[in-house]
Amino acid sequence: AQTVTQSQPEMSVQEAETVTLSCTYDTSESDYYLFWYKQPPSRQMILVIRQEAYKQQNATENRFSVNFQKAAKSFSLKISDSQLGDAAMYFCAYRSYTGTASKLTFGTGTRLQVTL
Amino acid sequence: DTGVSQNPRHKITKRGQNVTFRCDPISEHNRLYWYRQTLGQGPEFLTYFQNEAQLEKSRLLSDRFSAERPKGSFSTLEIQRTEQGDSAMYLCASSTGTAYGYTFGSGTRLTVV
Repeated sequence: AQTVTQSQPEMSVQEAETVTLSCTYDTSESDYYLFWYKQPPSRQMILVIRQEAYKQQNATENRFSVNFQKAAKSFSLKISDSQLGDAAMYFCAYRSYTGTASKLTFGTGTRLQVTL
Repeated sequence: DTGVSQNPRHKITKRGQNVTFRCDPISEHNRLYWYRQTLGQGPEFLTYFQNEAQLEKSRLLSDRFSAERPKGSFSTLEIQRTEQGDSAMYLCASSTGTAYGYTFGSGTRLTVV
């Protein structure tokens, strides 16, 4: 079974600065997807960014980018030019590539605080 | 399309009562998922539908839990004989395929007293 580990329960960043959230995972599969989700205090989960394991190029979405290290099974999220609206819980998630195993496996989350 | 809709938003029930939650996915999404999230934890998978077929169920889904998706549209999650340990946020999500992330609803917060 796949597992996802987020070792940073809480992180803090100053507005306009850059922060990196860590995520490691364990799998025996070679093809899979990785995601970062944001959950603001309103509790609705929002997809931030996704990465296909077969792609070597790191995904980017505006101020959000990932550092995907397949051999190390690491998938960190970098948030540049942090904004107050970035404050939320961030969850890393894994999804198998094939078959009916369509579920997402989530880590325990990292709470990001953004300060002035 | 207004996204994934879940009702009710909050439910308080007495231990031993039955509760039912509803999820309306995005209309063109054929895949529907239920997750449970307790405080300070990530969501945990409960069950998955592709159209009307329930293709996967977690061991977390005890025999007191049942989910349906008649006609491949909305879905219901019923919990019978609720226990205090069932208190959690129940999240519904939908998607079009494995390659894509989910769209989540706002969840139903269940409190069992």
